[in-house]
Amino acid sequence: GAVVSQHPSRVICKSGTSVKIECRSLDFQATTMFWYRQFPKKSLMLMATSNEGSKATYEQGVEKDKFLINHASLTLSTLTVTSAHPEDSSFYICSASGRAIYEQYFGPGTRLTVT
Amino acid sequence: DAKTTQPNSMESNEEEPVHLPCNHSTISGTDYIHWYRQLPSQGPEYVIHGLTSNVNNRMASLAIAEDRKSSTLILHRATLRDAAVYYCILASPNDMRFGAGTRLTVKP
Repeated sequence: GAVVSQHPSRVICKSGTSVKIECRSLDFQATTMFWYRQFPKKSLMLMATSNEGSKATYEQGVEKDKFLINHASLTLSTLTVTSAHPEDSSFYICSASGRAIYEQYFGPGTRLTVT
Repeated sequence: DAKTTQPNSMESNEEEPVHLPCNHSTISGTDYIHWYRQLPSQGPEYVIHGLTSNVNNRMASLAIAEDRKSSTLILHRATLRDAAVYYCILASPNDMRFGAGTRLTVKP
């Protein structure tokens, strides 16, 4: 299957700083990318959907000014957590979709810890 | 809100078949039924997907009810490596929401 990478896999940052997480589709063009966050022993919660070249669509309750999503190319989307706080500590996962919805591939996740 | 309902947990013995149910009574005509599984601290792994007909692949089988309001993921011979949280999802081009999933425990 296709490969989706995330970088970094783990990051520790201080409260008040910003962190950028990259999601790359390595061998296909991702027209749509999804960003999720997951708390321990909970399911994945969809944060936003982004289509290449357009603004992301955020789920209700997700602050778009805090979680900045950029999908500038068909192989790269970034999630920036701005002014991070300890409650933003979570496992962030992206997925990438090709032209067909059944072409959906998940990244390995990024563990963010805010101290 | 998730559009699927699954049991919170199930148990199986090693090398026995496992049937994981999923209800999706509000499915629309264009929704695909996807199954993923997730190990701790990893991203979800694709298992199988289908639209109307039953599907088989090397990992599992997917049985879809005639009215498409429910489906069952079938693991023919569970192994210890199949222990994971299994998610049933109704997928459309701009919607991939996860429900709570079923935590499968496999006993040796």
